Amino acid sequence: GQQVMQIPQYQHVQEGEDFTTYCNSSTTLSNIQWYKQRPGGHPVFLIQLVKSGEVKKQKRLTFQFGEAKKNSSLHITATQTTDVGTYFCAGRGNTGKLIFGQGTTLQVKP
Amino acid sequence: GAVVSQHPSRVICKSGTSVKIECRSLDFQATTMFWYRQFPKQSLMLMATSNEGSKATYEQGVEKDKFLINHASLTLSTLTVTSAHPEDSSFYICSAAREQFFGPGTRLTVL
Repeated sequence: GQQVMQIPQYQHVQEGEDFTTYCNSSTTLSNIQWYKQRPGGHPVFLIQLVKSGEVKKQKRLTFQFGEAKKNSSLHITATQTTDVGTYFCAGRGNTGKLIFGQGTTLQVKP
Repeated sequence: GAVVSQHPSRVICKSGTSVKIECRSLDFQATTMFWYRQFPKQSLMLMATSNEGSKATYEQGVEKDKFLINHASLTLSTLTVTSAHPEDSSFYICSAAREQFFGPGTRLTVL
């Protein structure tokens, strides 16, 4: 069945450093979504990518969808302590279901 | 934006009891809602898709007789964990509107 792999599992950075998390699907996706979950909280929708090769930016966050629509990345420039949390990608395949990656937990040292 | 609420936010129950969790869409009608389960430090796993006016669709490995889902109206879906056991302790989260809006979650602890 469809699988979505996300790496790394954990990332510790110094405040001001950049951060990237990668997502790979075993099958071609119709779209991919990114969520942020703070400790003790629920996932909060960040963005959805639909088109092959799409790149979207939200302030310091840059989201990319691969040309083959099987991989995606989230890059944060100059991390801040408020960026702490777990970032999940979630891919929607031909079944219509949204399959979540394992998540990348980001810790930012001030 | 769309808001999804869940009740209760936290519940502690004894083994063998049943627990009902409500998921409401507050400002839109949701013909479909989704129920996820998240164990500590793990990802969200889709349990079932709740369809208004019809039977829920369960994912492989999820017992439909244990996790009863009712979607009686366009704004309310309920998940009942029947005869709960300690291994059912988890964070249960519902979502609606093409899964872009998640409820705040219900943390279930079964003693």
